[in-house]
Amino acid sequence: SQQGEEDPQALSIQEGENATMNCSYKTSINNLQWYRQNSGRGLVHLILIRSNEREKHSGRLRVTLDTSKKSSSLLITASRAADTASYFCATDAGGSNYKLTFGKGTLLTVNP
Amino acid sequence: EAGVAQSPRYKIIEKRQSVAFWCNPISGHATLYWYQQILGQGPKLLIQFQNNGVVDDSQLPKDRFSAERLKGVDSTLKIQPAKLEDSAVYLCASSPRGRVQYFGPGTRLTVT
Repeated sequence: SQQGEEDPQALSIQEGENATMNCSYKTSINNLQWYRQNSGRGLVHLILIRSNEREKHSGRLRVTLDTSKKSSSLLITASRAADTASYFCATDAGGSNYKLTFGKGTLLTVNP
Repeated sequence: EAGVAQSPRYKIIEKRQSVAFWCNPISGHATLYWYQQILGQGPKLLIQFQNNGVVDDSQLPKDRFSAERLKGVDSTLKIQPAKLEDSAVYLCASSPRGRVQYFGPGTRLTVT
């Protein structure tokens, strides 16, 4: 079963604008990760935020985590056409298995 | 560093036929995962190996799917017999002793 639910399912913006995607999950987590998937390709890890962190930055990416609301958001600033992809959140409930449960993803289209 | 390799990239078979997918993880990665990704959804874990032992196969349809990882390196995933609902992208991922997973390009399977 899917643990995370991304919102919106699809997002279309113009180049240079910011894009915000949200993820909600159901059970307690050890950490939350965001992955990107370009059409026809495998997933690429973007960023990991631990359950005791509230915000994390990596280049043009900003991730927030609110464990009380069981939600996370991914902000991509100054978007580029190359950012066009599907974005997935994945939760890790902890334990030695390092098992990830993925959401259904947000399809981001950045128009040049 | 070479990434996760998968073959074939595409496969079309008729229902009730069998098919096998191959994965070569990143050198030195102890953990290997097989995911099934149906169109429009996030990846769903089928099986996880730690070296050549199975850690989690709770979502593997064992009546038709099988997987092995000989010598703790390469892995094969087999479907026999295939059903229409098995049409999906099969992703292989590997990980060192950490939380981040590295994905291959996937094999797109179409069952007609």
